[in-house]
Amino acid sequence: DGGITQSPKYLFRKEGQNVTLSCEQNLNHDAMYWYRQDPGQGLRLIYYSQIVNDFQKGDIAEGYSVSREKKESFPLTVTSAQKNPTAFYLCASRQQGASTDTQYFGPGTRLTVL
Amino acid sequence: GENVEQHPSTLSVQEGDSAVIKCTYSDSASNYFPWYKQELGKRPQLIIDIRSNVGEKKDQRIAVTLNKTAKHFSLHITETQPEDSAVYFCAASIGSGGGADGLTFGKGTHLIIQP
Repeated sequence: DGGITQSPKYLFRKEGQNVTLSCEQNLNHDAMYWYRQDPGQGLRLIYYSQIVNDFQKGDIAEGYSVSREKKESFPLTVTSAQKNPTAFYLCASRQQGASTDTQYFGPGTRLTVL
Repeated sequence: GENVEQHPSTLSVQEGDSAVIKCTYSDSASNYFPWYKQELGKRPQLIIDIRSNVGEKKDQRIAVTLNKTAKHFSLHITETQPEDSAVYFCAASIGSGGGADGLTFGKGTHLIIQP
C-alpha cells in the first residue's frame, strides 16, 4: 500500500470554501475509492471509480465531488455544501479482476474546518 | 444497503490470551469480508480476509470464520502480544462484486493487550 499517496496530510478550511484532496497511486489499479472516517466510527464510502472517466456515488456523496481523468489520480473536492466536513479522509485502490479483492489505503488527509 | 455491526467496541485481554471480535452483516449478497488493523493516526492495514465460498481461513496467530447462514464472521487472535493493541475493523463487500462497489465497515473494536 506504499504506492498510494495522499496530500496534504493536514488541511484547514474556512467555512464556505471548497478544498480538493489529492490521491495518487502507482499500483496500476483500476478501481479507486474515497472513505470518510469520524472519531470512534468506521469508514464510510463517499465515491468510487472502477474505470477512468466513470465514477459512482457511495453512501455519503452529498457535498462532495470527484473526477477520474487519469488512472493514477482520483481527487476529491469537499464543497461548501458539505455541512460537517471535519474528518479523516482515506483513499484506497483495488486491482480489478484479479484473484485478490484487497483494497489498499493511502495515509489519509485530516481536514479541519475552522 | 449493507449494514455491519461489530462487537465489542472495546476488548481488554491479558498478554498471551486469545481475543475474539464478532461482526454481523445484513446483505446476503455480500461475498467478501476483510479485516483491517488501524493504529492511532495511521491508515488501515489489511490483516486477513475471507470470501463467501470459504468457512475459515488462518494466517499464523490470526484466523477468521464465516457463517453465511447466520450472516456473521469473527476474527480470532491467539497468543496476543503488545503490538496487537490497535483498533480492528471488519467490513463486508457492498453487493456480490468482491468489494468492487466498495466496502461497508463496522464501527471498530479497540483491542487493548494488558502486560
